[in-house]
Amino acid sequence: AQSVTQLGSHVSVSEGALVLLRCNYSSSVPPYLFWYVQYPNQGLQLLLKYTSAATLVKGINGFEAEFKKSETSFHLTKPSAHMSDAAEYFCAVSGPAGNKLTFGTGTQLKVEL
Amino acid sequence: DGGITQSPKYLFRKEGQNVTLSCEQNLNHDAMYWYRQDPGQGLRLIYYSQIVNDFQKGDIAEGYSVSREKKESFPLTVTSAQKNPTAFYLCATGTEQTSEAFFGQGTRLTVV
Repeated sequence: AQSVTQLGSHVSVSEGALVLLRCNYSSSVPPYLFWYVQYPNQGLQLLLKYTSAATLVKGINGFEAEFKKSETSFHLTKPSAHMSDAAEYFCAVSGPAGNKLTFGTGTQLKVEL
Repeated sequence: DGGITQSPKYLFRKEGQNVTLSCEQNLNHDAMYWYRQDPGQGLRLIYYSQIVNDFQKGDIAEGYSVSREKKESFPLTVTSAQKNPTAFYLCATGTEQTSEAFFGQGTRLTVV
């Protein structure tokens, strides 16, 4: 069984500040981990994914995430927030045998001037 | 243009009516999925199909039905048995090789 917990349903940062969105996972098998972004009334777009290669994963739009097995975490970071980063972010986990994803409940990121 | 097409984008229905949401893909992906999204609850899996003429229930299949007669198409029917059908519905595709899901733009269903 797999599950994902996203800490903080709403996060607010100032433009130019560090973005940190938290994700902890539970998996009975080595996990594949994903971060997706969703803009209002649109589908989800993949930001980055971890598939058991390098533990530090770089994605699109300057985002990156680090897989920490000891902490069962896969937190998403960006050094400097931009207004265009305001969106909802979802962490997801799947087992390596297939891609039936289990999603977290999402974190709404607000970027303020 | 390659991708996943969900139609319509907005759909209104009266309570007690069945309604079918369309999902078509030209990515040649074997797997297709339907998720339901409600505020604060993330995405919940309704049904998925990994091969033509076969599909499995997800976590919240009650009140929904699907078919997979063609690789390209995976329509979802929201039946009158679904107690709270108003939601945003997302279709996705995937392959074993990529282990990620690709999403359509969604259909927002409102039942009045």
